[in-house]
Amino acid sequence: DGGITQSPKYLFRKEGQNVTLSCEQNLNHDAMYWYRQDPGQGLRLIYYSQIVNDFQKGDIAEGYSVSREKKESFPLTVTSAQKNPTAFYLCASSLLSGGRATGTDTQYFGPGTRLTVL
Amino acid sequence: LAKTTQPISMDSYEGQEVNITCSHNNIATNDYITWYQQFPSQGPRFIIQGYKTKVTNEVASLFIPADRKSSTLSLPRVSLSDTAVYYCLVGRMDTGRRALTFGSGTRLQVQP
Repeated sequence: DGGITQSPKYLFRKEGQNVTLSCEQNLNHDAMYWYRQDPGQGLRLIYYSQIVNDFQKGDIAEGYSVSREKKESFPLTVTSAQKNPTAFYLCASSLLSGGRATGTDTQYFGPGTRLTVL
Repeated sequence: LAKTTQPISMDSYEGQEVNITCSHNNIATNDYITWYQQFPSQGPRFIIQGYKTKVTNEVASLFIPADRKSSTLSLPRVSLSDTAVYYCLVGRMDTGRRALTFGSGTRLQVQP
């Protein structure tokens, strides 16, 4: 059963602690992404990776870090430097296509992790 | 990335057709238009994608006029389960940053 999984679904942490969110996919997708969503808002891109051992900052990368050591995994660490980390975090993956004829890369999203910092 | 503008919210009744229009005046030649659906506390789900004219699949239709400065997502005969937030995205994905920029979306409420 192919898909993208995130764990845990709910996460509570004390202020000042680093926390790592898991994202795994068995779709054999090239690219993986992390988004943050605040209540009533759209998704904002944190980091993305198009290939193993390479990743790029998104629009709101400050206070976050990632790694991409395996194609299947793209964990996100929320560090103590992130000023307001309480949010809904979504991971996605896509199979990178090439050229205009194939359109854009459909992103498949995981179920999300709701992080609450106390 | 092209900026999109959508209505903040829409209301409808079961069985009606719903049309959600998105404006994207600065769309580029190689940009595609994609719509996603999101239920509360879930990740967005791909609905439909198009470049020009009309695209139809089993759940929706996408109408894109010749100038491509807007697009309309059409949901035929909505049900209560179609209550969700719908996002219109425009982006070129064949080069460069291959990630999506989501606006605030349109919150569709379907009433019985």
